[in-house]
Amino acid sequence: DQQVKQNSPSLSVQEGRISILNCDYTNSMFDYFLWYKKYPAEGPTFLISISSIKDKNEDGRFTVFLNKSAKHLSLHIVPSQPGDSAVYFCAASGGGSNYKLTFGKGTLLTVNP
Amino acid sequence: DTGVSQDPRHKITKRGQNVTFRCDPISEHNRLYWYRQTLGQGPEFLTYFQNEAQLEKSRLLSDRFSAERPKGSFSTLEIQRTEQGDSAMYLCASSFAGTRIFGPGTRLTVL
Repeated sequence: DQQVKQNSPSLSVQEGRISILNCDYTNSMFDYFLWYKKYPAEGPTFLISISSIKDKNEDGRFTVFLNKSAKHLSLHIVPSQPGDSAVYFCAASGGGSNYKLTFGKGTLLTVNP
Repeated sequence: DTGVSQDPRHKITKRGQNVTFRCDPISEHNRLYWYRQTLGQGPEFLTYFQNEAQLEKSRLLSDRFSAERPKGSFSTLEIQRTEQGDSAMYLCASSFAGTRIFGPGTRLTVL
């Protein structure tokens, strides 16, 4: 039972354009959401997070949007750079287990020069 | 201390052998987590320590798996009688009431 779903296994964008990565969740008890980036042979690196009391959080080129009614969040990267090419994981916590992160399967982003 | 370290980075073993992995968290972090990632999947939670106490274990952690954090610092994850299905990346993370910082992982291959 996938409680966190990333339905696009891959995404390809041109350098300078916007990258939009999507994530859906099913557990209404989730109240904290995170995005991690992962390069091959490395562990996931934290990018940005959002609490369920907010609908938007920005950090430089990265913005996360949360739509609680749709149980949907998205990560926007503007402008995209070739160094952003990596696997992006959406993760969620809450529902009585604030220590456990539930991850999606990831989306491979390729930014073409 | 610049991050979470894991040792070894790669381990190849034969089915039925025991393996042990080590994780050294960031020194001031009191919370430590183990995750497992298989090909095409996101990391899956295995277990969580606060200081030396193991507070939560996933159903994925069968009786062949045991994790310890004896002095609230480094942690070990042991897999007994390894099976081919145990082949995966084993990730350790640590935190201090904040964002989890992941280590580089130990890639286990069971032949």
